[in-house]
Amino acid sequence: AQSVTQPDIHITVSEGASLELRCNYSYGATPYLFWYVQSPGQGLQLLLKYFSGDTLVQGIKGFEAEFKRSQSSFNLRKPSVHWSDAAEYFCAVGATGGSYIPTFGRGTSLIVHP
Amino acid sequence: DADVTQTPRNRITKTGKRIMLECSQTKGHDRMYWYRQDPGLGLRLIYYSFDVKDINKGEISDGYSVSRQAQAKFSLSLESAIPNQTALYFCATSDLQTGSSYNEQFFGPGTRLTVL
Repeated sequence: AQSVTQPDIHITVSEGASLELRCNYSYGATPYLFWYVQSPGQGLQLLLKYFSGDTLVQGIKGFEAEFKRSQSSFNLRKPSVHWSDAAEYFCAVGATGGSYIPTFGRGTSLIVHP
Repeated sequence: DADVTQTPRNRITKTGKRIMLECSQTKGHDRMYWYRQDPGLGLRLIYYSFDVKDINKGEISDGYSVSRQAQAKFSLSLESAIPNQTALYFCATSDLQTGSSYNEQFFGPGTRLTVL
């Protein structure tokens, strides 16, 4: 079975600073990988996804993520954080067989200081 | 209009009451899911349905039941609510396709349930 670890519960950054949120997965084959964002009072919205091909994936709102097979990681990055990026971020791994149901990490809460 | 809607958005109830949370979608997806979110625990799967005649338990189904009334509707029931079922509940949909949409889920806005 697949699993996801987001090692950071909270991350605090200053507005304009760069951001990296960590995600490590466990899965026996090449996984499908996702990052979702949950703004306060909202449902989850897909930021980006990786299925195959280029390991650097571009998403919405200026986010990108890099799939590193050797490190079983799919870290989310943004070069300059805006106050509106304050939210909960979830990494998810989807299996390529079986029930195909994604497994979510526990989330990382991003706090942005002015 | 939102593609995935949930009603009610907020609900306060008492221990022992029966509660139903409803989810409707206009995306035409076959697959629907119910999750609960608790602080620090992320999203945990309660039940999922791959089509109208297919219902499956997730990792935390005890104390919950579901009904798939139509392709577009998937309801979650708490037969006898208890305080530790206080949580944020999300409905989601997905469509099994090959290619880049594979496994991508679309979420409703959530229902905040408080059991006193």
